[in-house]
Amino acid sequence: EVQLVESGGGLVNPGGSLRLSCAASGFTFSSYSMYWVRQAPGKGLEWVSSISSTSSYIHYADSVTGRFTISRDNAKNLLHLQMNSLRAEDTAVYYCARVGPTVAFDIWGPGTMVTVSS
Amino acid sequence: QSVLTQPPSVSGAPGQRVTISCTGSSSNIGAGFDVHWYQQLPGTAPKLLIYGNNNRPSGVPDRFSGSKSGTSASLAITWLQAEDEADYYCQSYDSSLSVRVFGGGTKLTVL
Repeated sequence: EVQLVESGGGLVNPGGSLRLSCAASGFTFSSYSMYWVRQAPGKGLEWVSSISSTSSYIHYADSVTGRFTISRDNAKNLLHLQMNSLRAEDTAVYYCARVGPTVAFDIWGPGTMVTVSS
Repeated sequence: QSVLTQPPSVSGAPGQRVTISCTGSSSNIGAGFDVHWYQQLPGTAPKLLIYGNNNRPSGVPDRFSGSKSGTSASLAITWLQAEDEADYYCQSYDSSLSVRVFGGGTKLTVL
């Protein structure tokens, strides 16, 4: 079964750090670009970061540039998001998603909740 | 404010047809980039509903269809069912921003 499962979310103080992970299974992880998309409570979807299959191309939303770092380990089928200097506005469910042959986000994980609050 | 504009809400009775619009600009939909649609049931992750403007992934009922014209796209749902009650998002690519962009989402209520 093709699957993505996120982990690493939780409650963190403003200014703190968290590292999210996304475990992929059921497909050739190393062949696909991967994305992080977040959804603040009661809000819409927001693209956060993306990484190409070989990590050659990495992009960030302006709102997280300089604070978040995306990475991947193709040998372990893992995607990561290191989040530093967290702010209240980073509070959201974070989804990892695959861009498939259709050029759409065809596989999504169930999400992991990140809450930034003192 | 989202780059792609969707109505905040739409509603319809069971059996009816509803449409959800997605309005963009010359740097995204109008530039020829594909539009994709996602369905998000309450408390769950988004699910791909329509890709490449008007294509359904395997398992998506043919009650769902997509179209695109100029700088806009639409999602149509026919024979509305209670289980269709969800949030729907359009998504495309914006060449000015060089990123994938989402619409603000539309909440469908089945009366």
